[in-house]
This record gives sequence, structure tokens and C-alpha cells, in this order.
Amino acid sequence: QSELTQPPSASGAPGQRVTISCSGSNSNVGSNFVNWYRQVPGTAPQLLIYNNNQRPSGVPDRISGSKSGTSAYLAINGLKSEDEASYFCSVWDDSLNGRVVFGGGTRLTVL
Amino acid sequence: EVQLVQSGAEVKKPGESLKISCQAFGYSFRSYWIGWVRQMPGKGLEWMGVIYPGDSGTRFSPLFQGHVTLSVDKSTGTAYMQWNSLKASDSAIYFCARGDGNNWGSYDYWGQGSPVTVSS
Repeated sequence: QSELTQPPSASGAPGQRVTISCSGSNSNVGSNFVNWYRQVPGTAPQLLIYNNNQRPSGVPDRISGSKSGTSAYLAINGLKSEDEASYFCSVWDDSLNGRVVFGGGTRLTVL
Repeated sequence: EVQLVQSGAEVKKPGESLKISCQAFGYSFRSYWIGWVRQMPGKGLEWMGVIYPGDSGTRFSPLFQGHVTLSVDKSTGTAYMQWNSLKASDSAIYFCARGDGNNWGSYDYWGQGSPVTVSS
């Protein structure tokens, strides 16, 4: 069981907005930067958001990240079929001498 | 163009050793950390550890400390992860990824993954 809790699934119709949550604790989300990845089955993860809300070059601005307390959020506006994938949050956790933890992942279905 | 190219699929028996590779192209290999991430079949991502090619400094997850060894060859821009004695539970896809060290959970370029199967 991961230290970061994500809903196992989410869905939305093309054009809609979807938000995925990542719930942690004071030792991880509450005190460190959160990152988000997209993974299409059979491929490597792709960085979508780093440092809570920063987008790497090439990631469209319809994808955004935010954080409040011990929870972080990934929002995708204007859903497209290509957004159908699994999404993972990651963060440094200060407990157990420190390590990176990932959320369990959220499988997004575009209806 | 930044690329991380990993070694191919491996099939091993329990107790055997294995070394997989991750060769970097298109950037200064010594200036970025290389992280390793495990993905077991049908499961999520697990952070194993990182190595800094500049000085071979490492940091491991407590879950993997002592079970794998990380190393680099600066002359070829290649990072390695090694097991001395594989277990069936090591069957997974292993990804390497580039990080800048300022945010340990952020990796901007990833290898394609190295599938490892351990079976008797």
C-alpha cells in the first residue's frame, strides 16, 4: 500500500475537465514538491508536472498541477482521447531516511 | 536530443546475477542524476535509488538497499544496475531516468525499460 493515495480510476468525455487527487502526509506532500507522470501501457512514464505546478517544455497548458496542504491535484482540461493512460504522482518522503514515493496510479478513461 | 537507451530483455534463473545498462546521449552525463524505477507486472512505479555520475554518489530506497548495486562508466556515459542473486520477485520492468537532483521525484527523460524475467 502506497504512502500516497490516488483514486484507482477516473473518466470523462472528450472536451471535459478531469481532476485527479494525490493524498499524502506531512512527511511527503505536506513538505516537498509533487510531480505527476502519464504512462501509456507498454511505454515509459512521461513527466507532466514538476515542483507542484511547473510544466516541462512540450506539455500543453491544458494540463496543470496544484497542491493544498497534504493533497495535490492534477487537472486536465479539454480531454482528448490521447489522454487515456495511467497517471502517477511522486514526491520525496522524509521518513525512513528519505526516499521517493509514488502514488498507486489512476487509470483515466476517455468516454 | 536527450536519450536514455536501456539494454534488452533478460531471462534468468533464481540465484543468478544480472547487470542491466542505461546509456545516455545528448547531454552532459556527469551533470545529472540517474534514477532507477521498478514496475512489476500490472503494478505501479517504485523508486529504487539514484546515482550521480559525477562522483558515483548513491542514494537508495530502504526497500532496495543492499539488494542492488548502482554504478556508472563515465567514459561511455552508461549507468548500470546489478543484482548478485536474483529472486523470482525481481521479475519486472526496470526504467532508468534522468533527474537534476533538486527535486528527487522529478525525472524528465526516461529509458524505454528493461524487462527482467526470473524463473526456474
